[in-house]
Amino acid sequence: SQTIHQWPATLVQPVGSPLSLECTVEGTSNPNLYWYRQAAGRGLQLLFYSVGIGQISSEVPQNLSASRPQDRQFILSSKKLLLSDSGFYLCAWSPPRNTEAFFGQGTRLTVV
Amino acid sequence: GQQLNQSPQSMFIQEGEDVSMNCTSSSIFNTWLWYKQDPGEGPVLLIALYKAGELTSNGRLTAQFGITRKDSFLNISASIPSDVGIYFCAGQINTGNQFYFGTGTSLTVIP
Repeated sequence: SQTIHQWPATLVQPVGSPLSLECTVEGTSNPNLYWYRQAAGRGLQLLFYSVGIGQISSEVPQNLSASRPQDRQFILSSKKLLLSDSGFYLCAWSPPRNTEAFFGQGTRLTVV
Repeated sequence: GQQLNQSPQSMFIQEGEDVSMNCTSSSIFNTWLWYKQDPGEGPVLLIALYKAGELTSNGRLTAQFGITRKDSFLNISASIPSDVGIYFCAGQINTGNQFYFGTGTSLTVIP
């Protein structure tokens, strides 16, 4: 069966510090991968999605970037965090046929 | 991006009551998904719909894909305390495209 791992679960970072959140999927090949941000427990905003290694599409301009160095690994990064980057970050994957999306447990990021 | 309008925004109901929530879009979707999110957790897929008019059940949950392909509803029968959470609809315009999410319906069940 397929599983998705996302870490860390919680993170407190000072303003201006770098960020790296990692997401890996097991039990499938060539998944589509997504990063979402959720503010105040409501509304999922799509940040990035990827249909293959090195293929990243950005939905909104922001202080964040994403990379996919391996087929089942998706990384969300920032060089310098802003207070407004605080939120709940969710990684998700979907099969190549892309008809359902499955989420990780999320990372609660607090920028102080 | 696409906007999905989900209503109601929040619901407070007595245990045992039935619940109904819906999601509408200005665009035609090929896929509708319904998720439940518990506090501090990632959303969990409840029901997936792929055809206009499709009615699908998962235990006490029933969801339908609207005939116009621009809406969907989710019903929960005989609510219980563990139904508490935020319910999201999500849609996909074409297979292979990204998923767009509604703003969520927060459900509180009063024992």
